[in-house]
Amino acid sequence: EDKVVQSPLSLVVHEGDTVTLNCSYEVTNFRSLLWYKQEKKAPTFLFMLTSSGIEKKSGRLSSILDKKELFSILNITATQTGDSAIYLCAVEKQGGSEKLVFGKGTKLTVNP
Amino acid sequence: NAGVTQTPKFQVLKTGQSMTLQCAQDMNHEYMSWYRQDPGMGLRLIHYSVGAGITDQGEVPNGYNVSRSTTEDFPLRLLSAAPSQTSVYFCASTSGGGGNQPQHFGDGTRLSIL
Repeated sequence: EDKVVQSPLSLVVHEGDTVTLNCSYEVTNFRSLLWYKQEKKAPTFLFMLTSSGIEKKSGRLSSILDKKELFSILNITATQTGDSAIYLCAVEKQGGSEKLVFGKGTKLTVNP
Repeated sequence: NAGVTQTPKFQVLKTGQSMTLQCAQDMNHEYMSWYRQDPGMGLRLIHYSVGAGITDQGEVPNGYNVSRSTTEDFPLRLLSAAPSQTSVYFCASTSGGGGNQPQHFGDGTRLSIL
């Protein structure tokens, strides 16, 4: 059975802190791993990772994939209150269906 | 760009009623999917489509029907609503096909079954 596990499930930090969110997976026919940010409505796309060891960056956010150990991390430096959200990790399967298997998400709260 | 549009945004139904959640995208994406999101459960795939006329079941398909008569539209039907179907429903689309394109999500429909 396909499985995506995120940790921690919940995290409370102060503005300016650096956080690391974890995602491990056991999925057959792996194609890519995606990170999404969900505030009040739709999940919005952050990163798509397909190759091990190549860091993707966007401002204060960065992410990397380890296909040997089957995990990914999402780092957020100098956190701001606007980073408060649920961060979702999903694995896309090969096979032409574009199906995503999601983890349960990490709820990040950044306090001023 | 409208992207992925879902209607309605909110709906309250009584047990046994039927309804259709609408999803439309204007990006000419071949791949469309429906997910439900429940507290503590993440998003789970209900049904998906790889093109007009082609649909298949996901992880939690029971109680739901779909059809894909056009590329743009992918409605989700609840035939006889049950309280266990109270959830937030998201529609997503992607051009897919191995082109490393992420799925884009609509804003969701919050559905309550009494």
